[in-house]
Amino acid sequence: GAGVSQSPRYKVAKRGQDVALRCDPISGHVSLFWYQQALGQGPEFLTYFQNEAQLDKSGLPSDRFFAERPEGSVSTLKIQRTQQEDSAVYLCASSFTGVWGYTFGSGTRLTVV
Amino acid sequence: AQTVTQSQPEMSVQEAETVTLSCTYDTSESNYYLFWYKQPPSRQMILVIRQEAYKQQNATENRFSVNFQKAAKSFSLKISDSQLGDTAMYFCAFMKSANFGNEKLTFGTGTRLTIIP
Repeated sequence: GAGVSQSPRYKVAKRGQDVALRCDPISGHVSLFWYQQALGQGPEFLTYFQNEAQLDKSGLPSDRFFAERPEGSVSTLKIQRTQQEDSAVYLCASSFTGVWGYTFGSGTRLTVV
Repeated sequence: AQTVTQSQPEMSVQEAETVTLSCTYDTSESNYYLFWYKQPPSRQMILVIRQEAYKQQNATENRFSVNFQKAAKSFSLKISDSQLGDTAMYFCAFMKSANFGNEKLTFGTGTRLTIIP
């Protein structure tokens, strides 16, 4: 596609519910990144894929967070048993090579109530 | 670990004026990349400008330019002839020299810029 597409744009979850956030990167982009952006803060790195390989997951805050990219294109970020502190905007970005900068999606705003 | 500091939480400037946003960073790396991203209310982060640390020449993109001072670890963004569409959050970001698996960005906390008509 022409850009990075994320869905849903907004998600409200009850505490304890599982959620799945989808990212459809630019076709041909090898690298895919997930970031978490709390209100009023800069984005913080969660995880990085090169094709289908998850090369860095050091930013995932707990084992409730899981990401996958099984065919090297679409990626899903799953959060199990959501907590209030998970409320944030989740940004996905893709690139052919990151040193030229990424293309970001518009993010999913997750609110846990 | 790298850190990026933006000391100006908010700034405002009259339309057509020039404004400079500050950014400092801390790293022990000798080669790296620096970026400025713009985030309007739509939430999509848009790349404004990038700088390679091994290049001494400051990057320029139309009305946007940087003042890169490697020894001082400073990377400020200058916006000339500011326009209403420049109103947004601006984030400074750092990336270590590219090795596959090492392309993550470290962001500052951002500066909210408002252009006043």
